[in-house]
Amino acid sequence: QKEVEQDPGPLSVPEGAIVSLNCTYSNSAFQYFMWYRQYSRKGPELLMYTYSSGNKEDGRFTAQVDKSSKYISLFIRDSQPSDSATYLCAMSAGSGAGSYQLTFGKGTKLSVIP
Amino acid sequence: GAVVSQHPSWVICKSGTSVKIECRSLDFQATTMFWYRQFPKQSLMLMATSNEGSKATYEQGVEKDKFLINHASLTLSTLTVTSAHPEDSSFYICSATRGRGIQYFGAGTRLSVL
Repeated sequence: QKEVEQDPGPLSVPEGAIVSLNCTYSNSAFQYFMWYRQYSRKGPELLMYTYSSGNKEDGRFTAQVDKSSKYISLFIRDSQPSDSATYLCAMSAGSGAGSYQLTFGKGTKLSVIP
Repeated sequence: GAVVSQHPSWVICKSGTSVKIECRSLDFQATTMFWYRQFPKQSLMLMATSNEGSKATYEQGVEKDKFLINHASLTLSTLTVTSAHPEDSSFYICSATRGRGIQYFGAGTRLSVL
């Protein structure tokens, strides 16, 4: 079992739809959970990060972490064509040896159709 | 805040030459910087971790003599690809963290070796 599982898609939705992206993980040491957006031939852009369990909202984006289920989600409301990109989940322990290293999901490619 | 600048964005070089890529944290001091390599349609692969003033830690399988990393200050790390060959052609991305395992990425450098 891989440390972080993420459905690679591709995922195609109409403009205005609610998008749900998720990852599961196996390492209970992970404390910081991040979502990055990566456009083609660009570096990943940090969208949101969450510490431990809980929800966090920023504009059209909502991140959820359920540590008991080892499951994290990113919701995008009112999706726009400009949201078309690959979304990467990433996690780190945040403390201890090697704690700053990220473990990534494989990324989900999202297309928002006008 | 938390801007990471990476230069150049694209470099073409002849086989056998060396190429230097710069990574700067513009508005924060980075405790640790990372270098990744990304192949098309794949996730990021960590090459090395570097802390200011100390030798970089390379991941298994990464040739330290081929990929020289210098982390001269809390805001600058460089990656030098020495004696580059066509198989070194790839997308190289740096990141920086100011703690807690949250990484901020540069825009990436596309290296093409002829």
